[in-house]
Amino acid sequence: DQQVKQNSPSLSVQEGRISILNCDYTNSMFDYFLWYKKYPAEGPTFLISISSIKDKNEDGRFTVFLNKSAKHLSLHIVPSQPGDSAVYFCAASVKGGSEKLVFGKGTKLTVNP
Amino acid sequence: KAGVTQTPRYLIKTRGQQVTLSCSPISGHRSVSWYQQTPGQGLQFLFEYFSETQRNKGNFPGRFSGRQFSNSRSEMNVSTLELGDSALYLCASSLVPGRGGAEAQFFGPGTRLTVL
Repeated sequence: DQQVKQNSPSLSVQEGRISILNCDYTNSMFDYFLWYKKYPAEGPTFLISISSIKDKNEDGRFTVFLNKSAKHLSLHIVPSQPGDSAVYFCAASVKGGSEKLVFGKGTKLTVNP
Repeated sequence: KAGVTQTPRYLIKTRGQQVTLSCSPISGHRSVSWYQQTPGQGLQFLFEYFSETQRNKGNFPGRFSGRQFSNSRSEMNVSTLELGDSALYLCASSLVPGRGGAEAQFFGPGTRLTVL
């Protein structure tokens, strides 16, 4: 059972426009959410996170929104740049302090010049 | 500071063989987690080690095992390899587990295992 779902396997946007990547989860015990970016032949790199006590977290061009009632989070990238082209993974962790991350299957973002 | 290193980077084995993958965490990091990435299942948690003890284990068969040494380096072993074990195996390290700051996990580049 996929507890973290990224229903769009790919997304293509124009440079300078907004990229919106979506993620849904089913486990109400998740209390911490993260986005990772992954380039080919590299491991995932942490991008931004949000605690369940917040509904928004911003870091430069990246903003994550959390809607707990809908069990939905999204990552907004504004403005999108060609260097943002990568696979983006949504991940969640459960209360209790474990470092175990539950990942979605990823969305491949392509930013066209 | 050097990042997480994994060896080997690429490996080809045949069904029925066993394999050992190695992970050296960032200096000072004492927690190591392993993940398997496949096209169909995405990134799945295998196990987590801290101070040479397995703290958490994912839903994988007993053919998958691991250990951590006193210097925090970790190995994972897969016995009786199956075709479905072909995947990218990622190691991640963090200072300590359970801090709530899960972004403190730093990933290595992975070991690409191909089972023929």
